[in-house]
Amino acid sequence: DTGVSQDPRHKITKRGQNVTFRCDPISEHNRLYWYRQTLGQGPEFLTYFQNEAQLEKSRLLSDRFSAERPKGSFSTLEIQRTEQGDSAMYLCASSLLSEPGEQYFGPGTRLTVT
Amino acid sequence: DAKTTQPPSMDCAEGRAANLPCNHSTISGNEYVYWYRQIHSQGPQYIIHGLKNNETNEMASLIITEDRKSSTLILPHATLRDTAVYYCIVRSHTGGFKTIFGAGTRLFVKA
Repeated sequence: DTGVSQDPRHKITKRGQNVTFRCDPISEHNRLYWYRQTLGQGPEFLTYFQNEAQLEKSRLLSDRFSAERPKGSFSTLEIQRTEQGDSAMYLCASSLLSEPGEQYFGPGTRLTVT
Repeated sequence: DAKTTQPPSMDCAEGRAANLPCNHSTISGNEYVYWYRQIHSQGPQYIIHGLKNNETNEMASLIITEDRKSSTLILPHATLRDTAVYYCIVRSHTGGFKTIFGAGTRLFVKA
């Protein structure tokens, strides 16, 4: 296993368009997390899945954001009607059920909204 | 989860030990100390964690004070590739699922 992968690595979109990002976690990891990171700041938690169940969502996750993890494997994060303030790095991480703090991160998807 | 305080930046000479401090004076008995680092343009990388005892792995050592109110991450022989932002995080293994990252310490390793 080569770790957590994310696709695409970079996305440039115009304001108002919808975008979707994909995350493939480490195969044996039950837990999957999405974070957002802006320049100079640490990652901010967005949402969390245990298998296919979405168990927690941050207040940062507005109605325009939706995340899924069908069948408890890969996950997608969709942003509808993008705004310039959505420009950020979107990070995905996964962990074992028994080690929730030991999270393994993907390389991230950098979103630029013009 | 308890809050942590770290210096915003530190320098270290290549080949010397880098000692990164973290204060977590409000830590609870069931909360662990975790360290991550983030090299420029990459996702964060897990380094090490501990509860009470000092821990060592192939990357670093973690020293936790007896009262658990502070800890130090030690990179024994820093290299240029260790230049990164280092995050100290305190969290339990139960309850809320989110991990709260602060601003971290930007470590510059100089030749």
